[in-house]
Amino acid sequence: ETGVTQTPRHLVMGMTNKKSLKCEQHLGHNAMYWYKQSAKKPLELMFVYNFKEQTENNSVPSRFSPECPNSSHLFLHLHTLQPEDSALYLCASSHDRGGGGEQFFGPGTRLTVL
Amino acid sequence: DQQVKQNSPSLSVQEGRISILNCDYTNSMFDYFLWYKKYPAEGPTFLISISSIKDKNEDGRFTVFLNKSAKHLSLHIVPSQPGDSAVYFCAASAGNMLTFGGGTRLMVKP
Repeated sequence: ETGVTQTPRHLVMGMTNKKSLKCEQHLGHNAMYWYKQSAKKPLELMFVYNFKEQTENNSVPSRFSPECPNSSHLFLHLHTLQPEDSALYLCASSHDRGGGGEQFFGPGTRLTVL
Repeated sequence: DQQVKQNSPSLSVQEGRISILNCDYTNSMFDYFLWYKKYPAEGPTFLISISSIKDKNEDGRFTVFLNKSAKHLSLHIVPSQPGDSAVYFCAASAGNMLTFGGGTRLMVKP
């Protein structure tokens, strides 16, 4: 399997649930990213990991908790979310920390918070 | 305050004609610009890029133009094909991260 994969593709959860989004890249990249795309808004960068170390946290609420166990896997743990957190969550990877480089995106997880 | 803006939310073009998608930015520190294409239910895919030291980059039917003085870039698609119908995002980089515009939905009519 090649590219960037994300699971699940769709997720519906209540505000008291705990769930996790998973991202895996098979491109040998060393940087991984979480983005949020809400309706009619630009993609918003949430977190950046470079060589498994978090290098950016773009003022994301603590109810979103990222985890990067290795350069190929990235998780986003979700707990006590709000309905306004419903969005498309995209994972991306690149050779470096995005310094002018192309990022490769996964298909996204469509999250609905009830 | 959006640093990268795509002021046209949608664009409709006839097949075979030229599509021109525009993007404006405010941060003069941006030094690399990219265009991504997104189909429904898929993640964005890289299309073409340009460094700030250039003013034009061409790849097949796709050409990106950069006007640094105006802080403006554009994507030209010619000839446009129905398969080009998608949402196009421009993105700008200042060394570390990409900042995306809001996207323009292109519809190419047969």
